[in-house]
Amino acid sequence: AQKITQTQPGMFVQEKEAVTLDCTYDTSDPSYGLFWYKQPSSGEMIFLIYQGSYDQQNATEGRYSLNFQKARKSANLVISASQLGDSAMYFCAMRVALSGSARQLTFGSGTQLTVLP
Amino acid sequence: DVKVTQSSRYLVKRTGEKVFLECVQDMDHENMFWYRQDPGLGLRLIYFSYDVKMKEKGDIPEGYSVSREKKERFSLILESASTNQTSMYLCASSLGEGPGNTIYFGEGSWLTVV
Repeated sequence: AQKITQTQPGMFVQEKEAVTLDCTYDTSDPSYGLFWYKQPSSGEMIFLIYQGSYDQQNATEGRYSLNFQKARKSANLVISASQLGDSAMYFCAMRVALSGSARQLTFGSGTQLTVLP
Repeated sequence: DVKVTQSSRYLVKRTGEKVFLECVQDMDHENMFWYRQDPGLGLRLIYFSYDVKMKEKGDIPEGYSVSREKKERFSLILESASTNQTSMYLCASSLGEGPGNTIYFGEGSWLTVV
């Protein structure tokens, strides 16, 4: 079975500072994808960044980067230069290649990020 | 950009009513999903469709049905709405089933059953 663990229920960061949101995962499948989503209070689930299990380099997407440490099974999201609009719930998720399992994402419980002015 | 559009953002329905939640994607994706999201329970998969007219039950299909007559459209149907179906519903789509296929979500539909 797959599992995603996000140990930080809430985080605060000062505007313009960087923040790291933690995510650890567990799977026996060697082929998997890791995703981060942002969910503002309005409800939409916004895709931020993707990291494949065979990718050699950490993914980056604008102010978002993913600190992928495969041996530790961690996939932390780093947001640089935080903005007030970054305040939201952030979910780490995983999709694996096992037959029947690839059809859905396994989500973590989320981290509520608040950016302070 | 991928666009997943849910027809209704906020609905209030009465117990026993038949409710339709509509979802359209514009990227020719094979897979479509319906999730519900509840505080403390996270996201739970209701139904999954991997092709037109093909569907599979997710983790919590009871009380729901789905329809996918066209590739771009996936409808969630509550045959007889009940108060325990009050929730936020998220539609999603992805190009394929592999682990590298991103699942894109719509804006969500807040359903209240009274």
